[in-house]
Amino acid sequence: GDSVTQMEGPVTLSEEAFLTINCTYTATGYPSLFWYVQYPGEGLQLLLKATKADDKGSNKGFEATYRKETTSFHLEKGSVQVSDSAVYFCALILPRDDKIIFGKGTRLHILP
Amino acid sequence: GAVVSQHPSRVICKSGTSVKIECRSLDFQATTMFWYRQFPKQSLMLMATSNEGSKATYEQGVEKDKFLINHASLTLSTLTVTSAHPEDSSFYICSARDRRTDPYEQYFGPGTRLTVT
Repeated sequence: GDSVTQMEGPVTLSEEAFLTINCTYTATGYPSLFWYVQYPGEGLQLLLKATKADDKGSNKGFEATYRKETTSFHLEKGSVQVSDSAVYFCALILPRDDKIIFGKGTRLHILP
Repeated sequence: GAVVSQHPSRVICKSGTSVKIECRSLDFQATTMFWYRQFPKQSLMLMATSNEGSKATYEQGVEKDKFLINHASLTLSTLTVTSAHPEDSSFYICSARDRRTDPYEQYFGPGTRLTVT
């Protein structure tokens, strides 16, 4: 079935370090891909998205490229900040369906 | 941008009582609203999908008589947890989308933390 797999956390980095959170997907069809962020005690916020192969989504210094050949959508940031500490969810939506399929989430801790 | 609100943000209720959670789309019309449940340190579990004016579609394993969902207007959906028990304590999150303007994106509310004592 359709699914999203992302690296397990928690991930702990020092401020200004480079961040990569891996995400791969399995889907029949051509999904749109998303990264959501959840800060402590809050709901989800859309961080970035890509709707077709080779698209790059970017926001707040984060980037992810839709790689159809490797079925991946890895999240990257060149220099993380303490304020980036949160849980990050990779997700997909298939055009035929309303439902978002979420990965399990990756908790990120940034140390000052 | 599209804003979705939830009320209340936190609620504590006694076992056996019912509690209603509201989800509103503030600046757009939501043709479809979704209700999720999130356990601590876990991902979101879709409970049900509701289209305005129609009965909600529940995911497998979700008790429709316990979790009553109403989507009576294009800007409001409600989730009522009936005869709540401590195991219903959780973080409930709604999301909304306007299928007519964006086929993919859902906008999430800030969540409601329910504690049943």
